[in-house]
Amino acid sequence: SSELTQDPAVSVALGQTVRISCQGDSLRNYYTSWYQQRPGQAPVLVIYGKNNRPSGIPDRFSGSSSGNTASLTITGTQAEDEADYYCNSRDSSGNHWVFGGGTKLTVL
Amino acid sequence: QLHLQASGPGLVKPSETLSLTCSVSGGSISTTDYYWAWMRQPPGKGLEWIGSIYYSGSTYYNPSLDSRVTISEDTSKNQFSLRLSFVTAADTAVYYCARGSMIRGVNGAFDIWGQGTTVTVSA
Repeated sequence: SSELTQDPAVSVALGQTVRISCQGDSLRNYYTSWYQQRPGQAPVLVIYGKNNRPSGIPDRFSGSSSGNTASLTITGTQAEDEADYYCNSRDSSGNHWVFGGGTKLTVL
Repeated sequence: QLHLQASGPGLVKPSETLSLTCSVSGGSISTTDYYWAWMRQPPGKGLEWIGSIYYSGSTYYNPSLDSRVTISEDTSKNQFSLRLSFVTAADTAVYYCARGSMIRGVNGAFDIWGQGTTVTVSA
C-alpha cells in the first residue's frame, strides 16, 4: 500500500505534550519525515531520519517509529506550534514519495 | 543560503499544459548530494508529491500523474521545470518546488522548499 493515514485533527493544552501519528505499510521499511505548515506558508521540515531535527527546530519536537506507525511528539507545546503537520515517506517501490493527509494541531 | 523560487503563469486553460520553473540560488543543482522535486497542494487540501529529478537525470513521477508529467533541468540556468499536460480544474493548486537531501542519514527528506506559486485552471 502507498497510503499514509493521519488523524485529521488533534488538540493540546498549552504547555502539554501531544503525539501526532502516521500509519502506513511502507513505514515498516522507510523512515518518516515530518513537516510543519502554518497558514499561507510553505511546509518546513521538522523531523527526518531516525529522529533528527534540522538546524533551528526546537528540541521539543521529536520523532519515533514502531512497526507501521510513526509519531511526532511535541513536548511542552507552544502557541506557535499550532499548524498543520504532514508525515512523508517512500512508498513500497522506494522510488516514489507519499504524504499523509495532514493533522491540524490546535493549541488550547 | 539556498533559495528556491517557483514561477510561471497563474492561470491555465483546461486541456492546456501547465509549465513552471524553479530557479535555485545560493547553490548548484548539479550535485549528487541533493535532488529536486515538485509538490502541490489544492485549496484546503493536503500535500501531494508530483515527482523528482536526480543528478543522473533520472526522474520519478507520482503514478497518478505519470502520463501527464515531465520534470526536466537546465543546469546552465540552475533551474528545474515542471510540465503537466491536459490540465483540468482538479490541477488547481499551490505548486511548490523543493530540495531533497541524499546526504547520509537524511534519507531523502525535503529540507528546503520554495514559497509556492498558485496555479488556477479555468477557461
